[in-house]
Amino acid sequence: QVQLVQSGAEVKKPGASVKVSCKASGYTFTSYGISWVRQAPGQGLEWMGWISAYNGNTNYAQKLQGRVTMTTDTSTSTAYMELRSLRSDDTAVYYCARDLNSIAARPKAFDYWGQGTLVTVSS
Amino acid sequence: EIVLTQSPGTLSLSPGERATLSCRASQSVSSSYLAWYQQKPGQAPRLLIYGASSRATGIPDRFSGSGSGTDFTLTISRLEPEDFAVYYCQQYGSSPTFGQGTKVEIK
Repeated sequence: QVQLVQSGAEVKKPGASVKVSCKASGYTFTSYGISWVRQAPGQGLEWMGWISAYNGNTNYAQKLQGRVTMTTDTSTSTAYMELRSLRSDDTAVYYCARDLNSIAARPKAFDYWGQGTLVTVSS
Repeated sequence: EIVLTQSPGTLSLSPGERATLSCRASQSVSSSYLAWYQQKPGQAPRLLIYGASSRATGIPDRFSGSGSGTDFTLTISRLEPEDFAVYYCQQYGSSPTFGQGTKVEIK
C-alpha cells in the first residue's frame, strides 16, 4: 500500500533552517510528483511547492521563492523540503502529498498524504 | 493567483441531512481542475473529489461534486456521523491554491 512517512517534529530558532523528509513506499517513486503543503495552527492549507520525482523539475509558490528548496533522492525514494530564514509565522504542520496522476508535468490533486511534521519556530 | 472563497464558513446540520458546500474562484479554473478534501482534527486531508466531479478511490457515493468555470459545489447527500469535519476545495489548473475551508458541525 502507498505510504508517505515523514520525519519527526522540529523546534527551530528564528533565522535557522529546517529540512523535512518524506519517505515513500508502495509505488514507483519516480512516476509521481510530490507537493508540500503546510497548515499553521488552527488555519487552512497552503501549497508550498512541487517537485517531479521523474526529472527533478520544481514549481514553488511565489511567496516562498528564494527560501524553499525541494529535492528528491530516488535511491531511497525520499523527498525533502528545506525552508530557510525561518520566522515565527512558519510555525506549522508540514505535509508531503503525492500527485493523483503519474508523470505529471505540474502539480495535480493529491491522493496520498504523509502524517505531517510539526515545525515550531520560537526564540 | 486564483483565490478560492468557500461558503458558508460553518454549516450546522444533523445526521441524515443534506450538506451543500460552495467554492467560488476569482477566475475560471481551467479544465475543471478542482478538488475537494476532508480533514478531521489531527489528521492529514483526504481526497474526496478531483476534476470537479470524479470521486477518488474508496469515497462513498453520498459525496458528489459539480460545477465548472468559477462555481463549484460539494454535496453530501445524507450526512453520516463520520462526515462532520472541515472541507477544503483546491484548484490545480494553475499554481495550486486552497479555499479557507467549511466546517460541517453537528447541530
